[in-house]
Amino acid sequence: DVVMTQSPLSLPVTLGQPASISCRSSQSLVYSDGNTYLNWFQQRPGQSPRRLIYKVSNRDSGVPDRFSGSGSGTDFTLKISRVEAEDVGVYYCMQGTHWPWTFGQGTKVEIK
Amino acid sequence: EVQLVESGGGLVKPGGSLRLSCAASGFTFTKAWMSWVRQAPGKGLEWVGRIKSKTDGGTTDYAAPVKGRFTISRDDSKNTLSLQMNSLKTEDAAVYYCSTGVSWGQGTLVTVSS
Repeated sequence: DVVMTQSPLSLPVTLGQPASISCRSSQSLVYSDGNTYLNWFQQRPGQSPRRLIYKVSNRDSGVPDRFSGSGSGTDFTLKISRVEAEDVGVYYCMQGTHWPWTFGQGTKVEIK
Repeated sequence: EVQLVESGGGLVKPGGSLRLSCAASGFTFTKAWMSWVRQAPGKGLEWVGRIKSKTDGGTTDYAAPVKGRFTISRDDSKNTLSLQMNSLKTEDAAVYYCSTGVSWGQGTLVTVSS
């Protein structure tokens, strides 16, 4: 199985400051169709997961533009340009290239 | 508006069976690949399995921990996804989510305990 490794696992952030989460995969996530199926999910406390980013850098509908995704191959990053209180929660990267699809361990974002 | 509503969770003894359902609405269910994802208490997310749309073959794939014990099926006439869970183990205890990938249900809690 493809192992997804996130860092850091805990991220205290000051309101209004940027935040960055790294995600590395144990093998390339480039699929045979040329796409890279790397997604980012947000799970707020007590809620179901919500997809923020698909195929590395595409924001889902309704996702604020302070969230951005980047990367290629095996190294990926989720950035929040200015953290707001509603961004508190756990963020997961997830690969949909190789079955079984796998998630990272999660990064807990909290306000300092 | 996309809605996914899971049901069927509860308490079951080790070795027992349980069937979860997911009622889908607000999108073209027949075209969707559907998945079950679980989350053990206080833990991360784990993909359980998926079923492709009938036009894409309707086949299923499972994660190793559940293969041979869990079965995913779909009823496109009723816009319903199901998860039949047999030979349940204590480590199967989790909130089970139905998902299209982008949309998720609220989850249903499965507790496995004697």
